[in-house]
Amino acid sequence: DIQMTQSPSSLSASVGDRVTITCRASQSITYYLNWYQQKPGKAPTLLIYAASSLHSGVPSSFSGSGSGTDFTLTISSLQPEDFATYYCQQSYSTPRTFGQGTKVEI
Amino acid sequence: EVQLVESGGGLVQPGGSLRLSCAASGFTFSSYAMHWVRQAPGKGLEYVSAISSYGDSTYYANSVKGRFTISRDNSKNTLYLQMGSLRAEDMAVYYCARESRQSISSKGGWFDPWGQGTLVTVSS
Repeated sequence: DIQMTQSPSSLSASVGDRVTITCRASQSITYYLNWYQQKPGKAPTLLIYAASSLHSGVPSSFSGSGSGTDFTLTISSLQPEDFATYYCQQSYSTPRTFGQGTKVEI
Repeated sequence: EVQLVESGGGLVQPGGSLRLSCAASGFTFSSYAMHWVRQAPGKGLEYVSAISSYGDSTYYANSVKGRFTISRDNSKNTLYLQMGSLRAEDMAVYYCARESRQSISSKGGWFDPWGQGTLVTVSS
């Protein structure tokens, strides 16, 4: 199975900050990497697929980059509604493994 | 509206069984692979099981292999997870999710949408 490792596990930030979350795969997954956002008590929602494609309805303040084994999710200007936990997921092979999550808090 | 609605969660004793359902609406259910993902209290997302669009291919995480069975009824637009020999470590919110592919072995799919989740509590 492909292991996904996110860093940091949590971070503190303020409204307006630029935030970057990193995800590393245990082997090359080319660009088959997705990002999800999860708010407390809610199901995850898709943010970015194929490493850098923004899902419909997701603000342009979110962006993704990377290929091979190293990927990043960037929030260019943090908004109050962006405080949540973010997960990466590889779709190169089954099982579609997730990273352990990054909690973005005030 | 594309929607997934889980049901069937609840309190079960260790060693017991439970069947979860995931009712799909707003899309052609038989065209998509489906997955179950769980989340223990305060923990991250754990991949549980997958089934291809026509049910001819399945996958199970090692932690549930031999105890859980995934299935689907495309005529009823419903996904199932039959859970047996339940353990304390199976306690979690269980989510169903649609993948953007028919096959569970295709590269490049993503999960959208997800259901709201159903809580399974394993306790005596």
